[in-house]
Amino acid sequence: NAGVTQTPKFQVLKTGQSMTLQCAQDMNHEYMSWYRQDPGMGLRLIHYSVGAGITDQGEVPNGYNVSRSTTEDFPLRLLSAAPSQTSVYFCASSYSASRGINYGYTFGSGTRLTVV
Amino acid sequence: TQLLEQSPQFLSIQEGENLTVYCNSSSVFSSLQWYRQEPGEGPVLLVTVVTGGEVKKLKRLTFQFGDARKDSSLHITAAQPGDTGLYLCAVVTSNSGYALNFGKGTSLLVTP
Repeated sequence: NAGVTQTPKFQVLKTGQSMTLQCAQDMNHEYMSWYRQDPGMGLRLIHYSVGAGITDQGEVPNGYNVSRSTTEDFPLRLLSAAPSQTSVYFCASSYSASRGINYGYTFGSGTRLTVV
Repeated sequence: TQLLEQSPQFLSIQEGENLTVYCNSSSVFSSLQWYRQEPGEGPVLLVTVVTGGEVKKLKRLTFQFGDARKDSSLHITAAQPGDTGLYLCAVVTSNSGYALNFGKGTSLLVTP
């Protein structure tokens, strides 16, 4: 089924460990982005990409790296996990804007990360 | 500062009741999106509104974009338990690569 695939669905890390959250889409979408969702804080933008080879920081980028070597994949790397990074992470993708209008994103089902 | 303010934060109603949730801002937007999120899942796009004053209907859900394109509302007629979820409004801005900026959402519970 076409869509956004995130792996893993659940992960427990120890403080200081590193890991990569995977995100892949098969809809040939140009735009991709990562969000974290925390109680009381809503969904916040971590990093985004407008195409292969182009990435930029969002609202809460510290402690995370991204790269976009292909249109399909947009992995999120945690460099040295901290308890403050305990959250649910969502990846999303979309077609590029048309005349300045974006018509909506498709989201993955999320990765629930706990850092102990 | 939160770009989008959603109200109410929580809403608990009985099946068959009508409800309206709001998404407000002091900024003007070229478009606005509504999503619904169920527990353990990612948000799912419901609608995108583009034109000031625009009204879109999706079965029992009616979405309106304010005339000045600063606010939006979602009205649900005869709510059903299947409408339970978190309703999120979001906008994109060109200075963040058209990524989404979300309100904090309205959590809706519809009981039989």
